[in-house]
Amino acid sequence: EAQVTQNPRYLITVTGKKLTVTCSQNMNHEYMSWYRQDPGLGLRQIYYSMNVEVTDKGDVPEGYKVSRKEKRNFPLILESPSPNQTSLYFCASSLSWDSTYEQYFGPGTRLTVT
Amino acid sequence: AQSVTQLGSHVSVSEGALVLLRCNYSSSVPPYLFWYVQYPNQGLQLLLKYTSAATLVKGINGFEAEFKKSETSFHLTKPSAHMSDAAEYFCAVSEGGGSQGNLIFGKGTKLSVKP
Repeated sequence: EAQVTQNPRYLITVTGKKLTVTCSQNMNHEYMSWYRQDPGLGLRQIYYSMNVEVTDKGDVPEGYKVSRKEKRNFPLILESPSPNQTSLYFCASSLSWDSTYEQYFGPGTRLTVT
Repeated sequence: AQSVTQLGSHVSVSEGALVLLRCNYSSSVPPYLFWYVQYPNQGLQLLLKYTSAATLVKGINGFEAEFKKSETSFHLTKPSAHMSDAAEYFCAVSEGGGSQGNLIFGKGTKLSVKP
């Protein structure tokens, strides 16, 4: 089944404790992206990747890192999480950066930083 | 720069009534426009998209949207609401205009359907 998977789905952590949220897709998609969703703000893009080893900042990249060493994986790294990073995070992938192609979204990761 | 504005963060309709969710866009170049739906505790799913072909676009689950350049609008409609339509709906535009660039999402409209 074609899908985007994220792990973990739920995470509660403390300020400053490094964490990684994994994202994997099995559709051989070139384009991958991370969003955060906050009430009343919709989805805002954190980082995106147009292909392996090619990543770029989205609208809200501060406090986040990403890597794209393999086509299928695009982990999101929070080196020193803070409470303002409490949010619902979505990974998405698409055949290419061209938005003619549908973006497929993962199920989301709900992160709470205390 | 491209942007979208969704009018109304919450819309409530009765089952069987018309659904109308409003989206206005701002774009300096011909836009590509999208509607995505998010059911509770799930990721987003593409409902329909406008890519400069027909101005009336039909999507899944009986939804459709009409691109009106003169009004800079791309409103989403469904003639008769079902309980299963209760979800949050997001309008989006391509950042670079046309098919280029990342998607810029609106803030979302939560649709409630009353029995």
